[in-house]
Amino acid sequence: GENVEQHPSTLSVQEGDSAVIKCTYSDSASNYFPWYKQELGKRPQLIIDIRSNVGEKKDQRIAVTLNKTAKHFSLHITETQPEDSAVYFCAAANQAGTALIFGKGTTLSVSS
Amino acid sequence: NAGVTQTPKFRILKIGQSMTLQCTQDMNHNYMYWYRQDPGMGLKLIYYSVGAGITDKGEVPNGYNVSRSTTEDFPLRLELAAPSQTSVYFCASSYQDTMSGELFFGEGSRLTVL
Repeated sequence: GENVEQHPSTLSVQEGDSAVIKCTYSDSASNYFPWYKQELGKRPQLIIDIRSNVGEKKDQRIAVTLNKTAKHFSLHITETQPEDSAVYFCAAANQAGTALIFGKGTTLSVSS
Repeated sequence: NAGVTQTPKFRILKIGQSMTLQCTQDMNHNYMYWYRQDPGMGLKLIYYSVGAGITDKGEVPNGYNVSRSTTEDFPLRLELAAPSQTSVYFCASSYQDTMSGELFFGEGSRLTVL
């Protein structure tokens, strides 16, 4: 089945720096790649997603890039702020396209 | 809309006991899921359902059972609780299939098995 690897597991940056989180997936048939943010003690929430027919998508300070040939996708956060501190999860659909398989998460800490 | 509602929020079980985690959604979503979250391990898919009467195993189904008799409800049953089932459980739903639909999560249920 689908396997999603996520790196790094922890990431510490200074306020204003950029942060990059990378994920790889195993199933070449996957074509939907969302990113979820989970603040401490809260539920995961979708922040951005990308489909395989595009290579990059931006939403204000966050962007996601996709390389289908290499089977990897990345989350980019620019001008980080303390409120960006959270756990970020990447995901890809399972082979049947009926459920999401998540990476292990990246704990991002932004210090001011 | 209340969204996805899970009960209970917290529960302590003894080894060998049974319990059901309840999940209900009021968004008329077809797809529902159960995930467990352990520190450093991300979200692991336990079971999912693409509609009433249909359920499928996810990545870690052993020790759990589910049913989907209505569109709204998707309970998760633990028959013989084990310490390895200590975790935070999240129920989620989506209107469309996961290739195009956002997952809406409940607030989570923290289960401790002693």
